[in-house]
Amino acid sequence: AAGVIQSPRHLIKEKRETATLKCYPIPRHDTVYWYQQGPGQDPQFLISFYEKMQSDKGSIPDRFSAQQFSDYHSELNMSSLELGDSALYFCASGFQNSDTQYFGPGTRLTVL
Amino acid sequence: DQQVKQNSPSLSVQEGRISILNCDYTNSMFDYFLWYKKYPAEGPTFLISISSIKDKNEDGRFTVFLNKSAKHLSLHIVPSQPGDSAVYFCAATLGTDKLIFGTGTRLQVFP
Repeated sequence: AAGVIQSPRHLIKEKRETATLKCYPIPRHDTVYWYQQGPGQDPQFLISFYEKMQSDKGSIPDRFSAQQFSDYHSELNMSSLELGDSALYFCASGFQNSDTQYFGPGTRLTVL
Repeated sequence: DQQVKQNSPSLSVQEGRISILNCDYTNSMFDYFLWYKKYPAEGPTFLISISSIKDKNEDGRFTVFLNKSAKHLSLHIVPSQPGDSAVYFCAATLGTDKLIFGTGTRLQVFP
């Protein structure tokens, strides 16, 4: 069965650079979620989209923005990167009327 | 403020025995709970879930128990297998909303 696809899997950036992470949800899923997992921490919710509209927002810095496109893929844009942004970024998808979210493999971002 | 807590950071169990992973939560409004398994360098994999209107859900070797009065849930894996060695996260949600994760428990199943 098709799973959530994230690209790139690994990304290395320097401070103050920008990064774009992509997420392709499971086909027909209408909701996308982004989570950030720092070293030794649990995943923390960043933002979600339902039918291309932002549906919820968590502890996402103002330097970050995200959107969901007409083909339902989503992109997380991160600017003015800081060392503390180094983390695993997970995308999950699901149906709006279901509680279960299915996660992608994650993008490991390293900021030097 | 950690709304979902897994107080045991690690657990070691012999193959064939039962593994019991525990999770406590503080928000009585949570209405759905999930368990995820995570291997290094991979995303969390959904295992099993339970609605707050139930007290037990079973799927093969995995059973989740929910005690609402104690705000406690547990995941039982029986029999445990070496391939079950991973980090297990419990998560809770309010409606069809963001997941709030616990801190994880690393399970090691040894032969």
